[in-house]
Amino acid sequence: GAGVSQTPSNKVTEKGKYVELRCDPISGHTALYWYRQSLGQGPEFLIYFQGTGAADDSGLPNDRFFAVRPEGSVSTLKIQRTERGDSAVYLCASSLTRDTRDGYTFGSGTRLTVV
Amino acid sequence: DQQVKQNSPSLSVQEGRISILNCDYTNSMFDYFLWYKKYPAEGPTFLISISSIKDKNEDGRFTVFLNKSAKHLSLHIVPSQPGDSAVYFCAASGAADSWGKFQFGAGTQVVVTP
Repeated sequence: GAGVSQTPSNKVTEKGKYVELRCDPISGHTALYWYRQSLGQGPEFLIYFQGTGAADDSGLPNDRFFAVRPEGSVSTLKIQRTERGDSAVYLCASSLTRDTRDGYTFGSGTRLTVV
Repeated sequence: DQQVKQNSPSLSVQEGRISILNCDYTNSMFDYFLWYKKYPAEGPTFLISISSIKDKNEDGRFTVFLNKSAKHLSLHIVPSQPGDSAVYFCAASGAADSWGKFQFGAGTQVVVTP
């Protein structure tokens, strides 16, 4: 597609459940990023992939969060045992290379609500 | 630890006037700065960037100024248009970080009135 696609756009889940959020980057983009935006805050870095490998996962808040990108394209962010504090908009972005000096392209995000 | 701060949560400006958005940072290792614009229900869109080797970068109606000694940058929009009404985020990165790992401010909501 022309842009970064994230599905679902909205997800409501019960506390304690497992969720998966999907990101389809722009075709050919080798770098992929996940950010989380809580209400009234700016995006917060979670993890960065270069190809299939997680080059930097220092932003993942705890071991309930995990992300994969097995074929170097689509990525899935997985959250186990969800908590109400996980409610946020999860943003995915991609760029052609790891040099993001011209900014990267964000998707519209997945709004996760944990009830 | 908020390393990038946008202290004005909102700004209202009249159409045709100048909008000035401010951003302060604390990490002296930051050497690259970006501004993003965000409409509701959309992802942030890259607007303009500046490297620490410069003190000004201009792109059409948008100009970013960097004052390294004060650890301060600003975005000027001139003239402001109704379509500029959005949330603007300042973001910073340092060469010591992996590329693409940006610290974002909390954003400034700009409203351009007729």
